[in-house]
Amino acid sequence: EPEVTQTPSHQVTQMGQEVILRCVPISNHLYFYWYRQILGQKVEFLVSFYNNEISEKSEIFDDQFSVERPDGSNFTLKIRSTKLEDSAMYFCASSEALPSQRNNEQFFGPGTRLTVL
Amino acid sequence: KQEVTQIPAALSVPEGENLVLNCSFTDSAIYNLQWFRQDPGKGLTSLLLIQSSQREQTSGRLNASLDKSSGRSTLYIAASQPGDSATYLCALGSSNTGKLIFGQGTTLQVKP
Repeated sequence: EPEVTQTPSHQVTQMGQEVILRCVPISNHLYFYWYRQILGQKVEFLVSFYNNEISEKSEIFDDQFSVERPDGSNFTLKIRSTKLEDSAMYFCASSEALPSQRNNEQFFGPGTRLTVL
Repeated sequence: KQEVTQIPAALSVPEGENLVLNCSFTDSAIYNLQWFRQDPGKGLTSLLLIQSSQREQTSGRLNASLDKSSGRSTLYIAASQPGDSATYLCALGSSNTGKLIFGQGTTLQVKP
């Protein structure tokens, strides 16, 4: 069964360093998302992405964050200068369609645990 | 602003019991609602998706209902098993960009 994959599973970095989190969405999906979950808190939406453009971003997704689909399979989240409060589990998700269409179920990857020291 | 609340925060039941998890939301203008399962330290597994035009969806021992007018969804788990122990999250699609808004989850423990 197709699944969303994410690498690395765990990333440890020093405050102020840049990190890139990688995701491979399900191959026939067109819509891509990043969410994060700080330990013990709700899952929070970061950004949605379609046709090489950001569709929507949250207040969390400031200038330190960027997303890219560098090739036909990968979808990346970059944090330019990490802060302690960026420590969280980051989830990538993908869907075949939008909520207003059929087949809009979102499928999530296993997550990347980011620890900022 | 859409708010999603799940009650109770935690639930412990003996094996074999039928149970209901609740999800409430403040804005009935939604596109869909998705229920997920999350095991400790793991990702989210999609269980059921209900479109805004639907009243319920079923998958095996799981049944999810949606009542937009009252701002509620329930996840019914029949004949619970210890393997059902996990955190269950509901998430609303309020935007056609695909953004999901999550509740804080209900942590279920099914005792053998």
